[in-house]
Amino acid sequence: SQQGEEDPQALSIQEGENATMNCSYKTSINNLQWYRQNSGRGLVHLILIRSNEREKHSGRLRVTLDTSKKSSSLLITASRAADTASYFCAPPPRDDKIIFGKGTRLHILP
Amino acid sequence: DVKVTQSSRYLVKRTGEKVFLECVQDMDHENMFWYRQDPGLGLRLIYFSYDVKMKEKGDIPEGYSVSREKKERFSLILESASTNQTSMYLCASSLRGMNTEAFFGQGTRLTVV
Repeated sequence: SQQGEEDPQALSIQEGENATMNCSYKTSINNLQWYRQNSGRGLVHLILIRSNEREKHSGRLRVTLDTSKKSSSLLITASRAADTASYFCAPPPRDDKIIFGKGTRLHILP
Repeated sequence: DVKVTQSSRYLVKRTGEKVFLECVQDMDHENMFWYRQDPGLGLRLIYFSYDVKMKEKGDIPEGYSVSREKKERFSLILESASTNQTSMYLCASSLRGMNTEAFFGQGTRLTVV
């Protein structure tokens, strides 16, 4: 099964700034998903981007996908304290198994 | 509102005990998963089930077993709990297919003393 690798491992920014985190993967995909995990909780699905979409928006989230570079990025604009969380990318399941990486820990400073 | 419910939020067990972690989903999903999450290691798949009574090992199945007697319920069993199984355990479910998303329970923080 393949997993995405998030980068950086940890990120601290001031409230109001934009946060960017990246995901790289190894094989060809037809979509990629991003999830958020608040401290001590389960993951929550944020957004799915398909291979024929270069960019997708959802509220303050902007996701890009570059299939030629096998990479994706998640941008959170105008960050808030509530955005403090870990963020995970997930390539499509292989044999139905969804595999996650280590995630990016985002900390929004007041 | 769709739901995946784990039976306990926090659990403390003694070394050597048999431990059952229960997970129930109300979405009629075929797939169910058990992960453990440890600092610096991310989520690691323990076991996966794609149908009733069907299971597959994940990346770290040693020391664990699972049971899926009904579609909505997936149990993780620690036959003889050890301190190195102290961790956060996350259950998830999903439909089959490539574009499916996973729905997670709230997690069970297990401490083995």
